[in-house]
Amino acid sequence: AQSVTQPDIHITVSEGASLELRCNYSYGATPYLFWYVQSPGQGLQLLLKYFSGDTLVQGIKGFEAEFKRSQSSFNLRKPSVHWSDAAEYFCAVIDFGNEKLTFGTGTRLTIIP
Amino acid sequence: NAGVTQTPKFRVLKTGQSMTLLCAQDMNHEYMYWYRQDPGMGLRLIHYSVGEGTTAKGEVPDGYNVSRLKKQNFLLGLESAAPSQTSVYFCASSRGGSYGYTFGSGTRLTVV
Repeated sequence: AQSVTQPDIHITVSEGASLELRCNYSYGATPYLFWYVQSPGQGLQLLLKYFSGDTLVQGIKGFEAEFKRSQSSFNLRKPSVHWSDAAEYFCAVIDFGNEKLTFGTGTRLTIIP
Repeated sequence: NAGVTQTPKFRVLKTGQSMTLLCAQDMNHEYMYWYRQDPGMGLRLIHYSVGEGTTAKGEVPDGYNVSRLKKQNFLLGLESAAPSQTSVYFCASSRGGSYGYTFGSGTRLTVV
């Protein structure tokens, strides 16, 4: 079965610093991968997705992610974080057999001034 | 506004009580899902539906039932609530997994 692992439970970065959130996947074929963001008390919002082609994908809010098959990774990056980026971030992989998303356990991002 | 609407937003139940959570979407999506979110465990799939009149079990279906009598609605029922069902419940819909999901804002349920 497919799965994703987010090894970092909590990350703290300074405002204006760069950010990288890690995601490792396990999937037999070419995975379709997603990053979602959840602000406090809110639902999840899609940041970006990867299906095929260019391994560097751009998303909303200035985020990007790079797919690396050799490392089974799909890490999320942002060059300069803003205080409004404080949230929880989830990586997910789709199972096309039943159209189900499997989520990682999430990484909580704290921004300090 | 188009999207996924969940009702209620908050609820407190006593152990053994029953309730139904309603999810409504106005995007004509075929697929609908119910997840629960617990600290440190991410989102876990309870039940899902691939179209009107269909339902299927997800990862953690025990203690829950669902129905999808109309395409736009997906109901999640708890017949006899237990404290272990204290959680935040999210509904989502999709026109196909590759398009990603649209999530509702969640229902925070506490069972005492």
